[in-house]
Amino acid sequence: GQNIDQPTEMTATEGAIVQINCTYQTSGFNGLFWYQQHAGEAPTFLSYNVLDGLEEKGRFSSFLSRSKGYSYLLLKELQMKDSASYLCAVIDSNYQLIWGAGTKLIIKP
Amino acid sequence: DVKVTQSSRYLVKRTGEKVFLECVQDMDHENMFWYRQDPGLGLRLIYFSYDVKMKEKGDIPEGYSVSREKKERFSLILESASTNQTSMYLCASSSGEGDNQPQHFGDGTRLSIL
Repeated sequence: GQNIDQPTEMTATEGAIVQINCTYQTSGFNGLFWYQQHAGEAPTFLSYNVLDGLEEKGRFSSFLSRSKGYSYLLLKELQMKDSASYLCAVIDSNYQLIWGAGTKLIIKP
Repeated sequence: DVKVTQSSRYLVKRTGEKVFLECVQDMDHENMFWYRQDPGLGLRLIYFSYDVKMKEKGDIPEGYSVSREKKERFSLILESASTNQTSMYLCASSSGEGDNQPQHFGDGTRLSIL
């Protein structure tokens, strides 16, 4: 079966750095998305990776290793507004999007 | 910016009622999707559509149907609502140009079936 694993919850301190991991076992791979979802709101697109390596976008970076079936989202200089759930989603060989359950990130002052 | 609008943020219905959830997008996207989101579970795909009058079953289509009469509008129908359909429903759209286009989501409808 297809599976995406993320930690259920993480806690970090304002101003610090946090890394949210995502491992996947899917039938094929055609790319990986990260989304941010604040409580009670819609998921919003953060990043897309299809090649190995690091993609940097301001305070957020996303890394992919296709051989390891692994990605992470790195958040730097954490702000209180970064408290949200972070969803990992993989495009499989049929170009269907497989979603992880999300990681709830709690930022403490 | 892409705007995906869902007709209601909160909705309360009774068991056995026929329920309509409406979704409209303003970016001329070909692809539209309906998901439900429950605590501890990932987004689960109910139905999707790649074109007008076209629909495909997702992972959990039982108890639901959809309608796409116009490109910008994608409706989800609960034929006879049941309490296990109490959930957050999210509509999304994406461009049909390439297979790696991100999906853009509406704010969701929190549906309670009593």
